[in-house]
Amino acid sequence: EVQLVESGGGLVQPGGSLRLSCAASGFTFSSYEMNWVRQAPGKGLEWVSYISSSGSTIYYADSVKGRFTISRDNAKNSLYLQMNSLRAEDTAVYYCARDTTRSKFDYWGQGTLVTVSS
Amino acid sequence: QSALTQPASVSGSPGQSITISCTGTSSDVGSYNLVSWYQQHPGKAPKLMIYEVSKRPSGVSNRFSGSKSGNTASLTISGLQAEDEADYYCCSYAGSSTQFGGGTKLTVL
Repeated sequence: EVQLVESGGGLVQPGGSLRLSCAASGFTFSSYEMNWVRQAPGKGLEWVSYISSSGSTIYYADSVKGRFTISRDNAKNSLYLQMNSLRAEDTAVYYCARDTTRSKFDYWGQGTLVTVSS
Repeated sequence: QSALTQPASVSGSPGQSITISCTGTSSDVGSYNLVSWYQQHPGKAPKLMIYEVSKRPSGVSNRFSGSKSGNTASLTISGLQAEDEADYYCCSYAGSSTQFGGGTKLTVL
């Protein structure tokens, strides 16, 4: 059974940092592209970042470029999102999602809540 | 990177059909047959309902169908059921990014 489990969310002050993790199981993690997608409270889905199966290709939404860094460790079946210079508008539930064709997100984690507030 | 445009809400009675539109540009929806649709119930993670414009993942009811014309994609749900009441999001590959629509709340009357 495919499982994606996010962790690392919490309350952080504006300007602070946080590192999210996504533990994958039930499939060959190293064969799949992965994404982070977020959802602010009461709002819609927003794509955040993409990483290819090898980690050689990475893309970011303009809203997080220069502040967030996506990475993966295929040996540990894990995906990460390092978030720096956090702003109030980054407050959201962050989901990791498995990707097969850059828009086919076939499996999602349960999400982890990040709250940026003083 | 602009969000795709969806109606904020649609509604229908049980047994009826509804269609949700998703309008993008020639840089996303219009250029690639990589449009997907997601269903999200309150407090839950999104669920893939349609991918590559019109393909259904295993386990998704054939009451859900997708299509595309030009820069606009559509999701049609036939034979509406109470359990279909949820938020629906379209999504499109856009080269170096992926775009989601703003979401449509479906109410089953």
